[in-house]
This record gives sequence, structure tokens and C-alpha cells, in this order.
Amino acid sequence: GAVVSQHPSWVICKSGTSVKIECRSLDFQATTMFWYRQFPKQSLMLMATSNEGSKATYEQGVEKDKFLINHASLTLSTLTVTSAHPEDSSFYICSAAGGLAGRNEQFFGPGTRLTVL
Amino acid sequence: GENVEQHPSTLSVQEGDSAVIKCTYSDSASNYFPWYKQELGKGPQLIIDIRSNVGEKKDQRIAVTLNKTAKHFSLHITETQPEDSAVYFCAASMGAAGNKLTFGGGTRVLVKP
Repeated sequence: GAVVSQHPSWVICKSGTSVKIECRSLDFQATTMFWYRQFPKQSLMLMATSNEGSKATYEQGVEKDKFLINHASLTLSTLTVTSAHPEDSSFYICSAAGGLAGRNEQFFGPGTRLTVL
Repeated sequence: GENVEQHPSTLSVQEGDSAVIKCTYSDSASNYFPWYKQELGKGPQLIIDIRSNVGEKKDQRIAVTLNKTAKHFSLHITETQPEDSAVYFCAASMGAAGNKLTFGGGTRVLVKP
């Protein structure tokens, strides 16, 4: 099956700093990548959809200037949490789709646990 | 937009018994319905999916049924094992690779040995 990796798997940072999370599709080219956040015991909340080479589409209520998304290639998307605060602490998960012709599965990365002190 | 409801929120079964999770969706245009299993501290893993042109799909101990008229779909796990314990999410999408998924609230399944 398709493999999606994320780096780092966990990160602890001080309030006010920025954190970058990478999402890579390892064995297929992802035309679309999605970024989610998940709070404890809750479902996944879609933050934004990104297509390679174009600007990300953010969901309502998600600050695009705070959560910067770059999808520079068909195998890499990055999420940068700028000026992080404790309320940004969460589990961030990416997914990738589009690699297999005619199929629309999303394959998820293992997630990144962000803790902001 | 699409809304997906999932029930129950928690499910406890004895090892060897069956588990059933049900989801309903609101948008009749949705045509792709995946199910994901998420273990603690990990990302969701696709376990089975179904498209709107079929009513049932089975993969070993896992099966999914879809009723388009009623707009609901269900996950069936037979002969449950302790390693089936996890959180399961249903989702709905309008099908193309770039289309976003709308997730249900999740079901925490505990299989008691």
C-alpha cells in the first residue's frame, strides 16, 4: 500500500516559536495533500487542502497566516505553525491522495504530536 | 456541506463476538465511504472502503454495507480479537482524489479477552 511519512513524530517548543512539520508520500506522487488536527478523544478536523504548485485552501476558522502550508512537489508538503501558543498543542496528521489512477483513497501519515510550552 | 454521524461512540465486545458500527451521511452526492482504524498515538489506517456503485464489500473478517437510499453505511467485524481494539472512523467523500473527507465522530472499540 501507499506509504506516507511525517517528520518529526513529536516536537516540544516554547511559546512564540515556529514549528515546521513535513509530510512525504514515499512511493507515489500525491497531487493533493490534506492537513488535519486532532484533539484528544476527538475526530480529525480538516485544516486545509493543498495541491502541488498552488495555494492551499483553508477550512473556515483556520488562520492561513498562522498555519502556513507549502506543497512544493508531488511528494512533499509542509505545515508551519507560526508563533505557536499552548492552544496550538495538538496531534497534526497529513494525508495524501491522487497517486493511483482512478482511485481516491487518502493515505495518512503517522502524525506529529506538537506540545507548546 | 456533508455531515456524518457515527454510532455508537464506544463499543465493548467479548473476544470472538461481532462488532457493528453505523454511520449516516447527509449529502446524496457522496459516493466514496472509507473506514479507518486508529491506534493510540498513530495516524488512521484505511481498513476498507466502498463506493456507491456497490452495496457490500468484504475483506476477511471485515465487511462494509451501504444503503444509498437511506444514506447509511455500516462496518461489521466478525470474530473480534484483542488487536481489533482501537478507534474506528467512518468518512464520506464525493469521490475524486482531491475531494476532502468528512469524518464521523469515531467509535472506541474494546475487545475483552
